Amino acid sequence: GEDVEQSLFLSVREGDSSVINCTYTDSSSTYLYWYKQEPGAGLQLLTYIFSNMDMKQDQRLTVLLNKKDKHLSLRIADTQTGDSAIYFCAENSNSGYALNFGKGTSLLVTP
Amino acid sequence: NAGVMQNPRHLVRRRGQEARLRCSPMKGHSHVYWYRQLPEEGLKFMVYLQKENIIDESGMPKERFSAEFPKEGPSILRIQQVVRGDSAAYFCASSPTTGESQPQHFGDGTRLSIL
Repeated sequence: GEDVEQSLFLSVREGDSSVINCTYTDSSSTYLYWYKQEPGAGLQLLTYIFSNMDMKQDQRLTVLLNKKDKHLSLRIADTQTGDSAIYFCAENSNSGYALNFGKGTSLLVTP
Repeated sequence: NAGVMQNPRHLVRRRGQEARLRCSPMKGHSHVYWYRQLPEEGLKFMVYLQKENIIDESGMPKERFSAEFPKEGPSILRIQQVVRGDSAAYFCASSPTTGESQPQHFGDGTRLSIL
């Protein structure tokens, strides 16, 4: 995970937008992923983006990719209490199959 | 995550015992990956297997750890003579083929506690 950096904690109010940021270092990564982990559960694939794209939108989720700066962000619109979880950014390693994960951003949504 | 099945969900072992963790991939998936998550850390890749073959075990400790994915049955991650430092959550993921265009789908993990 040392190649993928994320802020550790984010707190937002219900109904606001959340933006979770991630920086990565492997410029050869062609796909970047966002996973969600709820307490005691596994990782749920939220979305992923191909590196030749700048943006991908899927309902309340918007992924922005700045390949020049190796910066990836996940925006959650109209954040709900059920969105409280840990969000992991991941990139493909040089092998093409092993994923490198950040340490995760813990999102807390308050009423 | 009903697709990738891991068991047990929780496993408690005493130092020196053996731990066996099982993973059944999603239907139609023949590629299995094991990751370890230490407390407050991200997931670290351990091993990648296809049926009856270990493709890459570069992330797995050289001693005490082994993995298999037999022709029939689940993939097994085996830890012999466990130590306190083995306490972690172990996640299995699967994909239909390999490569960057194939997202990995994860199970709910096995939480291993060493007394």
